[in-house]
Amino acid sequence: QKEVEQNSGPLSVPEGAIASLNCTYSDRGSQSFFWYRQYSGKSPELIMSIYSNGDKEDGRFTAQLNKASQYVSLLIRDSQPSDSATYLCAVNTDKLIFGTGTRLQVFP
Amino acid sequence: EAQVTQNPRYLITVTGKKLTVTCSQNMNHEYMSWYRQDPGLGLRQIYYSMNVEVTDKGDVPEGYKVSRKEKRNFPLILESPSPNQTSLYFCASSFMTSGANEQFFGPGTRLTVL
Repeated sequence: QKEVEQNSGPLSVPEGAIASLNCTYSDRGSQSFFWYRQYSGKSPELIMSIYSNGDKEDGRFTAQLNKASQYVSLLIRDSQPSDSATYLCAVNTDKLIFGTGTRLQVFP
Repeated sequence: EAQVTQNPRYLITVTGKKLTVTCSQNMNHEYMSWYRQDPGLGLRQIYYSMNVEVTDKGDVPEGYKVSRKEKRNFPLILESPSPNQTSLYFCASSFMTSGANEQFFGPGTRLTVL
């Protein structure tokens, strides 16, 4: 079983819709959770971090963490074509473990 | 500007010709790491360093070497590159020595080994 799992996508949503990206992890001791955005051929860019159960909002982005169910999600409200990218989930075990990413496509 | 820099950004080389990819950070971070990224496989850690003169293997260290003589620099060395090392390489740094918190990435080096 992979330590951090994401659906590879692509997830296609229309402009203005809510995009929902999900990630599950295997280590119950994980303490920190991150979402990175990566445009094609570019480096990962940190967009959200979350450390406790519940929701954390930052602009159009909301990260949700449920440690009991071992999943973390990222919601992008009012999706824009510029949000089209691959989103990487990263989870702290004794080191940072990355998922393989979900490709998001926002069409006009 | 706080950043991680890598050089070169693009490199085409031939099998067996030694090469070095440099990485430097100006954030006084303790932790530095090298990853390679391949389609369908995600980011895989090659080597990491928790401090000067302290380095350790990641998940895919074969064929690579690193050194950490100064806090800011963490070069990746391929002594005898092979075509299966063709990949996109990222250097990253982190404030915490464990690296288990947010990491900041360099712009990447696209390496092709013929």
